Amino acid sequence: NAGVTQTPKFRILKIGQSMTLQCAQDMNHNYMYWYRQDPGMGLKLIYYSVGAGITDKGEVPNGYNVSRSTTEDFPLRLELAAPSQTSVYFCASSYLLDRGGNQPQHFGDGTRLSIL
Amino acid sequence: QKEVEQNSGPLSVPEGAIASLNCTYSDRGSQSFFWYRQYSGKSPELIMSIYSNGDKEDGRFTAQLNKASQYVSLLIRDSQPSDSATYLCAVNETSGSRLTFGEGTQLTVNP
Repeated sequence: NAGVTQTPKFRILKIGQSMTLQCAQDMNHNYMYWYRQDPGMGLKLIYYSVGAGITDKGEVPNGYNVSRSTTEDFPLRLELAAPSQTSVYFCASSYLLDRGGNQPQHFGDGTRLSIL
Repeated sequence: QKEVEQNSGPLSVPEGAIASLNCTYSDRGSQSFFWYRQYSGKSPELIMSIYSNGDKEDGRFTAQLNKASQYVSLLIRDSQPSDSATYLCAVNETSGSRLTFGEGTQLTVNP
């Protein structure tokens, strides 16, 4: 049972390079999320999706893009990497209860990204 | 801006003691509340969820929710060194589609 799978686990980028962080879930969750976590800090929401074809901005979307063409996959794109984007990135998924409450989010193992 | 605040750490308790972690939130419409544990260098791991006022117990963990006072707490009884981690409080926003996380409280259990 894979859950939420993130690739790569580690990456070093040069300033101005682009890359895509991959996230896939096999739990048929409709909600997916991207967070970043800076050292000693909490989780900041970058983007989220409530279903295939639907995405929305979180707290810190600048410098990132997302797409959701399937229920399973939710890639995060960095177009022009900047040192401020050095962080640990977590993908998560969940589903919504009928009564309007969230079920817990399940997290991937994270991608550690350094921009030099 | 919805806010979730946790008691400032780090928190240090001796082995076998009760650790008390507190969290307050600003969104009165929140319906779902979660506690995650995060070991250093690892991803957050769900340890408790609570949806109704009162206490919910699971082994050594008890979550307490008071919606009128807008706080949620986590008690860890018989604390073990393996409980040493950062504990994150998460609260859903009224829209239901997003969680807001607190900054976390770092707990150290000393043998």
